[in-house]
This record gives sequence, C-alpha cells and structure tokens, in this order.
Amino acid sequence: QVQLQESGPGLVKPSQTLSLTCTVSGGSISSGSYYWSWIRQHPGKGLEWIGYISYSGSPYYNPSLQSRVTISVDTSKNQLSLKLISVTAADTAVYYCAREFGGGYGYWGQGTLVTVSS
Amino acid sequence: QSVLTQPPSASGAPGQRVTISCSGSYSNIGSHYVHWYQQLPGTAPKLLIYSNNQRPSGVPDRFSGSKSGTSASLAISGLRSEDEADYYCAAWDDSLKGVFGGGTKLTVL
Repeated sequence: QVQLQESGPGLVKPSQTLSLTCTVSGGSISSGSYYWSWIRQHPGKGLEWIGYISYSGSPYYNPSLQSRVTISVDTSKNQLSLKLISVTAADTAVYYCAREFGGGYGYWGQGTLVTVSS
Repeated sequence: QSVLTQPPSASGAPGQRVTISCSGSYSNIGSHYVHWYQQLPGTAPKLLIYSNNQRPSGVPDRFSGSKSGTSASLAISGLRSEDEADYYCAAWDDSLKGVFGGGTKLTVL
C-alpha cells in the first residue's frame, strides 16, 4: 500500500521560500504511469491544486502560482518536493502531496500546516 | 471563488438519500472526468468516486456518482452518522489546471 508523508518547516517568514518534501513508501515514485501532485487547503477553506509532476518528469503548475512554484522528484530518495518562493500570509495553508489513482487523487499524505508569519 | 460550484451545505436524516451537485463548464466537467472526495474533520481528503462513477476498493456502494453535460452529482443512500463530512468535486480544466468545487458540508440530522 502506497503511503505518503509530508515534512518541512511549519513556519516560514514572509518573502522567504517554502520548501516541503513528500516521502513515498510502499512503492517506487518512478514506477507506473502516475502523476504526483501538491494540493493545499487554506484554513477553513476548500482545496486548491498547486501542480503535479508526471511520470515522465514533466511538471504542470496552477497558472495562478506558476511564477513562484517548482515541483520536482528525487528518485534516489523516493521523494517529491515543493518549493514556493516569495511567500506571503496568503500562502498559509495545509499542504498535501497526493498520487493519482484512476485520474483522481487516490493516495494522500496526512498534510502539513505551513504558517507564513514574521 | 471556486471554478466548480457546489452547494455549501446539505443534510439528511439517517437512512435517507442525499445528493450533492457540482456544476462546471464545457472546459472542465463537460470535457473531463469528475472525481469526488470525502474529508472528515481534521483529516486528509479521501477519494470516494473517480472517473465520474467508479468506486475505489473499500468505498461502500451507498456512494455513487453521475455526470451529465457540465454537471455532476454525488448520491449517498442509507445515510449514516459517519457520513457527516465535507465533500468536494474535482475535474481537470482545459486551462491546464486541476479545479475543485468549494465543498459541501453534509450534516446528518
């Protein structure tokens, strides 16, 4: 059974870079034709798709975040990563990594809260 | 403002059938599969329905999905107290991004 676990700083200062890692266990991140995504949820709000990286390694980003976000994969560590630069309080959210299943997001990490504050 | 429109709330008594709607446009629901997620308080979302009407293994058949044109629906029959959660619809959009509904909070009376 595939399991995902997000990790990273819970507090980031405004204008700095948010960096998160998603460690995948129970399967190789490079096997299968899967898409690996980052999704976030602002406190008390709905879900927002940040972007995904395809099984071929090509990333696709939400146009509203494209200028600030980078998603990458480290196959040697079986990890997915997210970098978001120039953060503001509006980037405070729970960040989830997820793997595709049948076109939807079938496997999710437990989520990690990132607060942007000085 | 979410790209996909859902009612903010829905409710039903135990044993009843409830439906949650999700409205979009040709560029998302009209052209792509719809997926549904259940989010219990304090937990990550869980895939409930994928590809319009498919259930992942382990999801009870009380949950069903349908799609027609630019709208989709999630139906829950035999409502149980443990179904009380937030429900989200999602789809791909031709603007090259994933989109979600704003979520529907289901209350079991």
